[in-house]
Amino acid sequence: DSGVTQTPKHLITATGQRVTLRCSPRSGDLSVYWYQQSLDQGLQFLIHYYNGEERAKGNILERFSAQQFPDLHSELNLSSLELGDSALYFCASSVGVGTNTEAFFGQGTRLTVV
Amino acid sequence: GQNIDQPTEMTATEGAIVQINCTYQTSGFNGLFWYQQHAGEAPTFLSYNVLDGLEEKGRFSSFLSRSKGYSYLLLKELQMKDSASYLCAVRGDWGFGNVLHCGSGTQVIVLP
Repeated sequence: DSGVTQTPKHLITATGQRVTLRCSPRSGDLSVYWYQQSLDQGLQFLIHYYNGEERAKGNILERFSAQQFPDLHSELNLSSLELGDSALYFCASSVGVGTNTEAFFGQGTRLTVV
Repeated sequence: GQNIDQPTEMTATEGAIVQINCTYQTSGFNGLFWYQQHAGEAPTFLSYNVLDGLEEKGRFSSFLSRSKGYSYLLLKELQMKDSASYLCAVRGDWGFGNVLHCGSGTQVIVLP
């Protein structure tokens, strides 16, 4: 158990819908990263938050947004869902941004868009 | 992953040794990670290198050369359960902030 918690584990929804994925980082970790992993693909970086502030954006679609709350949990919002959004969504947390610290992944949310 | 290169697949027999190489190009380097990922599961942390040299953890060792932008993960005494994808991830400045960027993974197949 990495200490990073993601909910839900599985999500099935229809095209055009909106979903929210939740990530609770390890206790004491201020950084949260979100990644998308499509079938047989690598982990694509989406967005990074540190202590409530957005720090970096990767290949994140405009239909996707995220935020980190004062209690440091983060949510990834996916709207106007398309079939191609079906993927595993992982979050990872670490203590800092550029400090010499390890980063751990949650178990992921498997999103299926039908 | 962009600017992180690792082989797509490697095959070895049980009990053997396999070395997975990873090269990267980034500025603001701040650590290199290796993760093991079984299909459909979360990446599991294996090792972390921020200084040059070799880090050994049981059957797994990881090496880093920052000047060469190079790392390898060495898996010794391979077991069937080691069949998985191994991700090389680098924390650095990839042009959109200092983030943890992942390679596409190396699928290791262990044969009996």
